[in-house]
Amino acid sequence: GAVVSQHPSRVICKSGTSVKIECRSLDFQATTMFWYRQFPKQSLMLMATSNEGSKATYEQGVEKDKFLINHASLTLSTLTVTSAHPEDSSFYICSARDLVGASYNEQFFGPGTRLTVL
Amino acid sequence: KQEVTQIPAALSVPEGENLVLNCSFTDSAIYNLQWFRQDPGKGLTSLLLIQSSQREQTSGRLNASLDKSSGRSTLYIAASQPGDSATYLCAVMIQGAQKLVFGQGTRLTINP
Repeated sequence: GAVVSQHPSRVICKSGTSVKIECRSLDFQATTMFWYRQFPKQSLMLMATSNEGSKATYEQGVEKDKFLINHASLTLSTLTVTSAHPEDSSFYICSARDLVGASYNEQFFGPGTRLTVL
Repeated sequence: KQEVTQIPAALSVPEGENLVLNCSFTDSAIYNLQWFRQDPGKGLTSLLLIQSSQREQTSGRLNASLDKSSGRSTLYIAASQPGDSATYLCAVMIQGAQKLVFGQGTRLTINP
């Protein structure tokens, strides 16, 4: 089955530092990946859509200069939280869409990354 | 703007009961609807995906229905078990934008 991994699973950093989170599709190619943020006891909110080889599309209210997204290959997208602050502490989840095969249009989710900014 | 609502927000039932979780959406222009399970502090596990042309999908003790015209979906869980305790999320994929919009989830507790 389609598997998406994220690394790291958990990260703690000091305020003002930058943190990079990786999202990989392990057994399929994903021209499109998605980044979500989830605050405690809340649902997932889409932050941006990451397209391989082009710029990401950000949702309204999401600062593109703060949340840098790079989708350099068909199996890897990265989210960098720049100059992180405590309010950026959250659970970040990526998903990847398999455009080929029976699971067309289905999104497969990674296990998430817990970011804590001190 | 697509909005997804899940009712109830929380549900606690004794083991063995059959139960129904509800999901409604405001715009019927969807590609598909997906039900997920999320355990505390974990990612999402896809349970069932219903394409817009389908009426229902079944997997084991789970059955999901879709009534696109009325903007509703239900997730039926038969013979509930304590291991079913989790938050269940419903999400619709918007046509054109190919984005998923999530509901707030139903936090389910099955008591032994």
